[in-house]
Amino acid sequence: GEQVEQLPSSLIVQEGASVLINCSYTDSASVYFPWYKQEPGKRLQFIIDIRSNMERKQTQRLTLLFDKKTKHLSLHITATQPGDSAIYFCSASMANYNVLYFGSGTKLTVEP
Amino acid sequence: DPKIIQKPKYLVAVTGSEKILICEQYLGHNAMYWYRQSAKKPLEFMFSYSYQKLMDNQTASSRFQPQSSKKNHLDLQITALKPDDSATYFCASSQQGINNQAPLFGEGTRLSVL
Repeated sequence: GEQVEQLPSSLIVQEGASVLINCSYTDSASVYFPWYKQEPGKRLQFIIDIRSNMERKQTQRLTLLFDKKTKHLSLHITATQPGDSAIYFCSASMANYNVLYFGSGTKLTVEP
Repeated sequence: DPKIIQKPKYLVAVTGSEKILICEQYLGHNAMYWYRQSAKKPLEFMFSYSYQKLMDNQTASSRFQPQSSKKNHLDLQITALKPDDSATYFCASSQQGINNQAPLFGEGTRLSVL
């Protein structure tokens, strides 16, 4: 099955800094890549997604880049705030399958 | 105002017992899912249902049985509980299949098996 890897596993930055979270997947049949944010003890919250026919998507302070050839995604968060502190998960799904495969997460800590 | 309701929020069970985790969604979605999150495996897909029919099952053990009595319900029955079953179980839903819309998640049921 699909395997999703995320790096780094954790990040600590000062408020206002930009961060980059990397994600790679193994199955070229994966077509849809939603990202989620999870604060301690809370539910997963959808933040941004991209499809395999796109290279870039941006919403507010989030930019998601996708490279189909290298099977790699990167999430760029600008002007970080303490409220961005959470675990960020990359996920992937294949066409015609209702299964999301998740990475192991990147724990982001934004210090004031 | 949560639209995906999971009950109970916390659950403590003894080894060998049986429990049912409840999930209801009020989003009008047609697809529902169960995921498990533990220290060993961060987020693990278990089941997907579409229009109350099982679509995908990646749970090796038959001790885990989803039950869909209504379109907006997908409960999870777990029998012969083991300490390894201790995890947070998340229910999720989407309008159609995953590739059309990212699933929305409930707040989870945290299960501890003693």
